[in-house]
Amino acid sequence: EVQLVESGGGLIQPGGSLRLSCAASGFTVGNNYMTWVRQAPGKGLEWVSIINSGGGTYYADSVKGRFTISRDNSKNNLYLQMNSLRAEDTAVYYCARYFSPDVYWGQGTLVTVSS
Amino acid sequence: QLVLTQSPSASASLGASVTLTCTLNNGHSSYPIAWHQQQPEKGPRYLMKLNSDGSHSKGDGIPDRFSGSSSGAERYLTISSLQSEDEADYYCQTWGTGNWEFGGGTKLTVL
Repeated sequence: EVQLVESGGGLIQPGGSLRLSCAASGFTVGNNYMTWVRQAPGKGLEWVSIINSGGGTYYADSVKGRFTISRDNSKNNLYLQMNSLRAEDTAVYYCARYFSPDVYWGQGTLVTVSS
Repeated sequence: QLVLTQSPSASASLGASVTLTCTLNNGHSSYPIAWHQQQPEKGPRYLMKLNSDGSHSKGDGIPDRFSGSSSGAERYLTISSLQSEDEADYYCQTWGTGNWEFGGGTKLTVL
């Protein structure tokens, strides 16, 4: 069974850094397209970043240069390193696996950027 | 630029059917999309991938009441025999060059 469990969220001050983790089971992270999607309070879904099976990475313009997606194949984990955080980064962050045609979602972790 | 447009809200009565629409912008009418459901206070749930020819592939455990169809740049999600648990936000999503794009979502109210 595919499972994705996010962790690492919390309250952080503007300008701070946070690393989110997504622990995967039931499949191998390194062989899949893995993505981060966020949802600000009361808003819709917003794509953040993706890493493909070849290790290529892509970012939304809103986070480019501040966020870095990575994976650890030995731990079967996906990560999102978030630097220079802003109030507008406040959101629930979901990791997801794309294994065409299916998408598998985690339950999310809340990041609050506030002083 | 790849853009998906959805109506903000829809409503239908318990036991009835409803069709939600997602429209791809000019130049992208052949793109496949995915439909995702988000019930209140829950994470998203993948419903199906829908191709431009109307063929679709549903996720595990998705009831037969959910179906998809396409016409030109429009992608449809039809839910029949509406149940109270179908009250949710529905998002369409597609794949660009490396990136994903989401529609703004449709909030479905079951009356």
